[in-house]
Amino acid sequence: GENVEQHPSTLSVQEGDSAVIKCTYSDSASNYFPWYKQELGKGPQLIIDIRSNVGEKKDQRIAVTLNKTAKHFSLHITETQPEDSAVYFCAAPNFGNEKLTFGTGTRLTIIP
Amino acid sequence: GAVVSQHPSRVICKSGTSVKIECRSLDFQATTMFWYRQFPKQSLMLMATSNEGSKATYEQGVEKDKFLINHASLTLSTLTVTSAHPEDSSFYICSASGQHEKLFFGSGTQLSVL
Repeated sequence: GENVEQHPSTLSVQEGDSAVIKCTYSDSASNYFPWYKQELGKGPQLIIDIRSNVGEKKDQRIAVTLNKTAKHFSLHITETQPEDSAVYFCAAPNFGNEKLTFGTGTRLTIIP
Repeated sequence: GAVVSQHPSRVICKSGTSVKIECRSLDFQATTMFWYRQFPKQSLMLMATSNEGSKATYEQGVEKDKFLINHASLTLSTLTVTSAHPEDSSFYICSASGQHEKLFFGSGTQLSVL
């Protein structure tokens, strides 16, 4: 099946600075890569996703980049705010079906 | 955006009792829903795929007689934890496939078995 690796497992950044979280995947046929934000005691929330026909997608302070050749994709958060503190998960499809394989998560802490 | 409602958000039960968790897609139809289990500070572990009108598909190692899944309509899937024991205590989350492969999650259910 699909293997997704995510780094780092924890990340602390000063408020206002940028945060970058990276994921690699194993299945070269994968074509959809979502990112989820999970706050304590809540379900994951889809914050941005990218398809393999583009290399970058932006939504205000959040962006995702994709390198299909290297099979990795990254989440970029600029001008970080305290409310960005959460656990972030990347994911990739499992052999083209509706199942998603999730990364191990990154606990992001924004330091005021 | 698509909304997935999950109830209850928290349940405490005695060992040996059964607990039912509901997952509803509020503004879209979902032929496929998924159930996950999440331990503290860990990633989501897929338990089963719930298909409307047919039997659920369970992941390896998940007891189908322990975790009963019913997907009776295009907007509702239920997970019943039968004869719950303390080791079943966990955070259970459902998700539903919306348009264009996007997966939307419920708010989760924290199950505590005494």
